[in-house]
Amino acid sequence: GAVVSQHPSRVICKSGTSVKIECRSLDFQATTMFWYRQFPKQSLMLMATSNEGSKATYEQGVEKDKFLINHASLTLSTLTVTSAHPEDSSFYICSARAPDRTQHFGDGTRLSIL
Amino acid sequence: AQSVAQPEDQVNVAEGNPLTVKCTYSVSGNPYLFWYVQYPNRGLQFLLKYITGDNLVKGSYGFEAEFNKSQTSFHLKKPSALVSDSALYFCAVRDDQAGTALIFGKGTTLSVSS
Repeated sequence: GAVVSQHPSRVICKSGTSVKIECRSLDFQATTMFWYRQFPKQSLMLMATSNEGSKATYEQGVEKDKFLINHASLTLSTLTVTSAHPEDSSFYICSARAPDRTQHFGDGTRLSIL
Repeated sequence: AQSVAQPEDQVNVAEGNPLTVKCTYSVSGNPYLFWYVQYPNRGLQFLLKYITGDNLVKGSYGFEAEFNKSQTSFHLKKPSALVSDSALYFCAVRDDQAGTALIFGKGTTLSVSS
């Protein structure tokens, strides 16, 4: 079946570091990918919609200069958390929309900023 | 605006008994409805979806859901629960006219006891 690969699965780094998370659709082309953030025991919050070849669309309250999104190809989107701080610690999950309209999800990235 | 409600934070059921996890939705156009399951520290696994056609949708691991337009509901069901079904379940909706990302309910924790 459709698979979305997200890497890395866990990151621990110092405050002020920038962290890049990759999201790949392995067996289908995805013109649209999505980035979500999930707090403990809470639902997924949509951060932004990533469109291949164009600028990402950010949800209200999400800083686009803080969370840089690049969707350079039909199978890869990246999220870079710039100058990360402890409050950015969270579980980040990417998703890719398959041609049959199903959204498939990566396994998530646990980001911990010390 | 789109929204999803999962009225129960937790559902407890004994192994072998039928289970139901409730979901109601609100969209402007026609709904695309999905159920996902999440295990600890993992991404979301797709269970089933309703796009169009038969109101009763069958999905992975013996789960099914019934689309009820008049009640704007899409409850998840399984005839006989397994302990391994214990997880966090999310209902999600997308408006076919909006064409945007899935919007998720807050999630329902299913606990199946042996």
